[in-house]
Amino acid sequence: QSVLTQPPSVSAAPGQKVTISCSGGSSNIGNNFVSWYQQLPGTAPKLLIYDNDKRPSGIPDRFSGSKSGASATLGITGLQTGDEADYYCGSWDTSLSAYVFGTGTEVTVL
Amino acid sequence: QVQLVESGGGVVQPGRSLRLSCAASRFTFSSYAMHWVRQAPGKGLQWVALMSYDGRIKHYTDSVKGRFTISRDNSKNTLYLQMNSLRVEDTAVYYCARDLIQWGAIDIWGQGTMVTVSS
Repeated sequence: QSVLTQPPSVSAAPGQKVTISCSGGSSNIGNNFVSWYQQLPGTAPKLLIYDNDKRPSGIPDRFSGSKSGASATLGITGLQTGDEADYYCGSWDTSLSAYVFGTGTEVTVL
Repeated sequence: QVQLVESGGGVVQPGRSLRLSCAASRFTFSSYAMHWVRQAPGKGLQWVALMSYDGRIKHYTDSVKGRFTISRDNSKNTLYLQMNSLRVEDTAVYYCARDLIQWGAIDIWGQGTMVTVSS
């Protein structure tokens, strides 16, 4: 049972924007950094965002992250068919002494 | 490029043991904390364990405490996961992964190794 809650799915047409929310608490998102991961079908996860809003080298600026209080948001602009994947948020949980992932969100490009 | 390659997965009966290995290459393994993350078929990601760069600090998810042991050999650039008393619910793809910043993000992932616990 995950402590970080995400919507099961979001969808939009090519070129449009989607946002994915990640809701946690004071022991995780509220006082620790958030990361976001993309998992394409049949592949290992890939880091998209770290430290709430930073992109690793090679990640396009169509992907953005933000945090407010105990919630975080991933935004994807200029949606492409190649963006169809599962997306997970993650954060260290100080109370659990564990890294926790969100429930995951499936992005569909209509 | 930076690479992590897991091995040791397979089919095992409930109650038995299995040891996973993860070979790291093209980065200074001894400078990074490392994680194990698993994903049951059709399910989401579940973090399993982490070990600090020097092996002094270990953390586990509650469901594997007392059964799984994470370890590393920095001289061999290898991370391990000893899994004892395996349960059906441990069935998953197990990923070895590198920590980016003080347990705040996971930046490099292996391709995963499948563990199936079944009688």
